[in-house]
Amino acid sequence: ELKVEQNPLFLSMQEGKNYTIYCNYSTTSDRLYWYRQDPGKSLESLFVLLSNGAVKQEGRLMASLDTKARLSTLHITAAVHDLSATYFCAVGYGGSQGNLIFGKGTKLSVKP
Amino acid sequence: DAGVIQSPRHEVTEMGQEVTLRCKPISGHNSLFWYRQTMMRGLELLIYFNNNVPIDDSGMPEDRFSAKMPNASFSTLKIQPSEPRDSAVYFCASTKTGGSYEQYFGPGTRLTVT
Repeated sequence: ELKVEQNPLFLSMQEGKNYTIYCNYSTTSDRLYWYRQDPGKSLESLFVLLSNGAVKQEGRLMASLDTKARLSTLHITAAVHDLSATYFCAVGYGGSQGNLIFGKGTKLSVKP
Repeated sequence: DAGVIQSPRHEVTEMGQEVTLRCKPISGHNSLFWYRQTMMRGLELLIYFNNNVPIDDSGMPEDRFSAKMPNASFSTLKIQPSEPRDSAVYFCASTKTGGSYEQYFGPGTRLTVT
């Protein structure tokens, strides 16, 4: 059974600081996704990582994938308040129907 | 593209009543997923369809829950009878297989059962 673990689950940061969210998964997969969810809203796709060593960046967020270590990271650079949200990683799982297994999410709070 | 469409956006009902949630996937997408999100249990996959066929319903809590996908552009999730513990946000998501498999989520239906 595929398990996806994120840490930390809660993260309080000061503006301007850097931090990394980790996503570990238990079985082989070469598809890893990061989503953002604002309070009371739906999930919005941030990054799609489809190969070992893949790195993608958007603004202050950078995501990477190491399939050999079964690890993805979401790095936050110089955090700003607008980044406050819950971030989920999801791993592609079995078959060709597009099933994803989600982590529990990391709730990020950026304070001035 | 309009994105994934869900209705209603909010539903308040009394225990014992039947509830039907609706979803229209993105045109051209052939896999559809129903999720439930609560504070206690997080995001749970209930059931998913591929080419209108249910593939895995192991996440459906119990027989009170049922889902159908009569055609490529419409799916329903029905709860009968509803119970207070069914209160949650229900999301529908769709994807096109063979590509990146990125799932696109609808806005969700917030269900409150009193």
